Amino acid sequence: DAGVIQSPRHEVTEMGQEVTLRCKPISGHDYLFWYRQTMMRGLELLIYFNNNVPIDDSGMPEDRFSAKMPNASFSTLKIQPSEPRDSAVYFCASMYGTDTQYFGPGTRLTVL
Amino acid sequence: SQQGEEDPQALSIQEGENATMNCSYKTSINNLQWYRQNSGRGLVHLILIRSNEREKHSGRLRVTLDTSKKSSSLLITASRAADTASYFCARPSGSGTYKYIFGTGTRLKVLA
Repeated sequence: DAGVIQSPRHEVTEMGQEVTLRCKPISGHDYLFWYRQTMMRGLELLIYFNNNVPIDDSGMPEDRFSAKMPNASFSTLKIQPSEPRDSAVYFCASMYGTDTQYFGPGTRLTVL
Repeated sequence: SQQGEEDPQALSIQEGENATMNCSYKTSINNLQWYRQNSGRGLVHLILIRSNEREKHSGRLRVTLDTSKKSSSLLITASRAADTASYFCARPSGSGTYKYIFGTGTRLKVLA
């Protein structure tokens, strides 16, 4: 099993640009989570899906952030427009009904 | 803050010694989990302990849970250099939700 796959692994962009992060969960998992990790705020849950449906998006910082899960094997997190304070490592995780989340390697985003 | 609080924030020990990390939380939980994060990597699930369990073992790991004190501890016995990582506790933010709140983490360094 390849585990959770995230792309890109690193992204450097300029303020105001659109950024799209991608995640492929483990096959068969029915939950998908997006997290953001920074030194200041630690690991924060942004949004999670169950069977492709967003369940809790209360952690999404503002309207500049949006997430979609068009099918069971793909999800995106989009930031438009990006700002320097969005710089962080973004993790995707998936789970199948056991409370055990499997994390991807993360995308390190730098917004200049 | 709803975050679990771990202590110590950082711990440095010699190989072969035991390492103990603590996690405190504020609201009732039905389970608590511990994760490890190696530098630059995603989180890896270690142990899940349910509210009706007091202690759980996995290899060199021992987790205890005291629901009356709202605290948990992770003990790593006979530590190895490879145990060097950050360790996080995580708990659901409420019943019937998979929105997990992660603690601030303990950075463990095991010296060879």
